[in-house]
Amino acid sequence: DQQVKQNSPSLSVQEGRISILNCDYTNSMFDYFLWYKKYPAEGPTFLISISSIKDKNEDGRFTVFLNKSAKHLSLHIVPSQPGDSAVYFCAASVRSGAGSYQLTFGKGTKLSVIP
Amino acid sequence: GAGVSQSPSNKVTEKGKDVELRCDPISGHTALYWYRQSLGQGLEFLIYFQGNSAPDKSGLPSDRFSAERTGGSVSTLTIQRTQQEDSAVYLCASSLGGLAGQSYEQYFGPGTRLTVT
Repeated sequence: DQQVKQNSPSLSVQEGRISILNCDYTNSMFDYFLWYKKYPAEGPTFLISISSIKDKNEDGRFTVFLNKSAKHLSLHIVPSQPGDSAVYFCAASVRSGAGSYQLTFGKGTKLSVIP
Repeated sequence: GAGVSQSPSNKVTEKGKDVELRCDPISGHTALYWYRQSLGQGLEFLIYFQGNSAPDKSGLPSDRFSAERTGGSVSTLTIQRTQQEDSAVYLCASSLGGLAGQSYEQYFGPGTRLTVT
């Protein structure tokens, strides 16, 4: 049973336009959400995160939106650049109380930004 | 500064053989995680080490899998009697710690691609 779902395996966007990557989760205990970016043959790189007490977090061209009632988050990249082409993983964890804070990942969305 | 390193980068082994995968976390990081990514899947949590505490082994898929962390630093993941379904990329991550109420971002190594023939 997948607790974090990325329903779009791939996405193509023109350079300069907005990329929107979506993620849904089912576990209401999750209170911290992250996006990782992964290039081939490399480990995932942390991109941006959001706590469940917020509904938006922005860092440069990257903005993450969280809709707790819908158990949905999205990553917006504006403007998209060819170097953004990678696989993007949505991840979630439970950070309240003691625990391992392990990450639960979605299957990833492959973003292709076309020059 | 050095990031998380893993060795070997690639490992091909015959079914039934044992393999050891190594992870060197970022210096000073007390928390260490192992994940694996099978083809077409997301990353799957395997095991977590935090300082001298007992590890969280809840993600290990079978008793053929084990891991150690010596001296609070280097970790080895051992898979005994490998099976073809063990073929995956095994990723190690480290973070500053996992104290209750506090947590820090996980930094990943490049992974070890394991192929069981």
